[in-house]
Amino acid sequence: DAGVTQSPTHLIKTRGQQVTLRCSPKSGHDTVSWYQQALGQGPQFIFQYYEEEERQRGNFPDRFSGHQFPNYSSELNVNALLLGDSALYLCASSLDRGFNTGELFFGEGSRLTVL
Amino acid sequence: AQSVSQHNHHVILSEAASLELGCNYSYGGTVNLFWYVQYPGQHLQLLLKYFSGDPLVKGIKGFEAEFIKSKFSFNLRKPSVQWSDTAEYFCAANAGNNRKLIWGLGTSLAVNP
Repeated sequence: DAGVTQSPTHLIKTRGQQVTLRCSPKSGHDTVSWYQQALGQGPQFIFQYYEEEERQRGNFPDRFSGHQFPNYSSELNVNALLLGDSALYLCASSLDRGFNTGELFFGEGSRLTVL
Repeated sequence: AQSVSQHNHHVILSEAASLELGCNYSYGGTVNLFWYVQYPGQHLQLLLKYFSGDPLVKGIKGFEAEFIKSKFSFNLRKPSVQWSDTAEYFCAANAGNNRKLIWGLGTSLAVNP
């Protein structure tokens, strides 16, 4: 049973560029959440997708956008990259239980470095 | 603002020592509480969770946590740590009407053999 897979694992971009990160949820999971984890910090919630729609969003600017596909996989897009966007981006999948987040299953993350 | 705070940022213990990691949250209503662990080079994984019921919850690998509503706390404990418990530990919470998890800054635990 495959867990959560993310790609790419590492990438380097320059300021102003755009990046797309990809996530395949754990088999049977229908909900995908994205988190940003800066060095020495806990994860920060970016948004959650369910039924191909953004269901809830954290305090991130519109430069951060996402998508969920019919097979439940998801993408995170960041436009106009800033140095401060350098972080580990985590994808977490779960089974929808309404407002109860339940157990999140995490991928290894995508390490983004913005130069 | 809703927040989760972890009091210990770095903890160093010898094997067989007892462990207690503090976690406090700021929600006033219904709350779901979690402890996640990240072993070196691995992804985050759930240690234990509290939704309702018995405030003493048991997780994997001998960990337990106690929910004390009056203190807004959810401290993690283990009576005897092992070298393999060396990891980063995160406390997280979500309010009853909110789907996002709020995370603490994490505690780095190093267990010396």
